[in-house]
Amino acid sequence: DIQMTQSPSTLSASVGDRVTITCRASQSISSWLAWYQQKPGKAPKLLIYKASSLESGVPSRFSGSGSGTEFTLTISSLQPDDFATYYCQQYNSYRNFGPGTKVDIK
Amino acid sequence: QVQLVESGGGLVKPGGSLRLSCAASGFTFSDYYMSWIRQAPGKGLEWVSYISSSGSTIYYADSVKGRFTISRDNAKNSLYLQMNSLRAEDTAVYYCARVVGASDYWGQGTLVTVSS
Repeated sequence: DIQMTQSPSTLSASVGDRVTITCRASQSISSWLAWYQQKPGKAPKLLIYKASSLESGVPSRFSGSGSGTEFTLTISSLQPDDFATYYCQQYNSYRNFGPGTKVDIK
Repeated sequence: QVQLVESGGGLVKPGGSLRLSCAASGFTFSDYYMSWIRQAPGKGLEWVSYISSSGSTIYYADSVKGRFTISRDNAKNSLYLQMNSLRAEDTAVYYCARVVGASDYWGQGTLVTVSS
């Protein structure tokens, strides 16, 4: 099974900060990686698919990069609506999720 | 617009069974793979199972293999999850999601609580 890790587990940031979250896979998954945003009590929302493709309707301050085993999600200028938990998911083999990164207010 | 609505959650005793349903609308259900994902209280997301558009290909997470069964009825635009031999650790919100590689649409979730 492919194992997914994320770092950091928690990130404290301020509005306007540039934020980067890292996701690593235990083996190569090519570019078969997605990023989701989840707010308390809500279903996850797809942000990025195929490592770097922006889902329709998602603000351009979100971007994804990477391939193989190491991936990043970047928020170029953090907005109040972006305080949430972010998950990566590989879909090369089955559909495992990373443990999540909570972005909270500094 | 795409809608996924889960139902069937509730309180069940350890060892019991429950069947979840997911009603789909706003897209051609029979064209898409579908998935169940769960989230235990205060925890992260855990992929549970997915099923191909025809139902011929099915995969399960090791944690539910042999106890849960995913199925679909394309004529009724519905996805199902039969859960048997339930354990306390199966307590979670269960989401159904449309699969396009990643999962682009999710339902609101249904809570399953396994407790005596």
